Amino acid sequence: DIQMTQSPSSLSASVGDRVTVTCRASQSISSYLNWYQQKPGKAPKLLIYATSSLQSGVPSRFSGSGSGTDFTLTISSLQPEDFGSYYCQHSHSPPFTFGPGTKVDIK
Amino acid sequence: EVQLVESGGGLVQPGGSLKLSCAASGFTFSGSAMHWVRQASGKGLEWVGRIRSKANTYATAYAASVKGRFTISRDDSKNTAYLQMNSLKTEDTAVYYCAKGYYDSSAYLDIWGQGTMVTVSS
Repeated sequence: DIQMTQSPSSLSASVGDRVTVTCRASQSISSYLNWYQQKPGKAPKLLIYATSSLQSGVPSRFSGSGSGTDFTLTISSLQPEDFGSYYCQHSHSPPFTFGPGTKVDIK
Repeated sequence: EVQLVESGGGLVQPGGSLKLSCAASGFTFSGSAMHWVRQASGKGLEWVGRIRSKANTYATAYAASVKGRFTISRDDSKNTAYLQMNSLKTEDTAVYYCAKGYYDSSAYLDIWGQGTMVTVSS
């Protein structure tokens, strides 16, 4: 099975900062990597699929990159509403494992 | 409105069974893969399993932690997916979400339900 790791596990940043979250797969997953945002008490929300495709309605300050085993989610200018937890997930082959998550706080 | 609504959660004793339902509306349910994802309190997301469409023989796949105990099924006439959970353990306690795969062949999950809580405790 493919294992996913994320770093950092948490971060605190100011409004307007550029924020980067990293996700690594235990083996190559090509571009089969997705990102979700989850706010407390709510269901996750799809942000980015297939590494870099922005889901409809998601602000353009979110972007994704990478391939193979190393991937990045970038928020170009952090906004107050961007607090929450961010999870990567591979969709290469089942089981479609999630990363452990990165909690983003606003300073 | 595109929507998924889970139901059937509750309190069950260890070793017991529970069946969750996921009612879909607003999209072509029969052509979509349906996934289940769970989240223990204060923990991360854990993919549980998925069922594909009739065109792909209702193929199922499961996480190792639930394989042999959980079964996913669907009734396309009712636009509903199910998660049958048997031999429940305390570590199965979590909020259970159903989610729609963007395509039948894809596992990126574009629509999620609100979740239903399952508590396994004596």
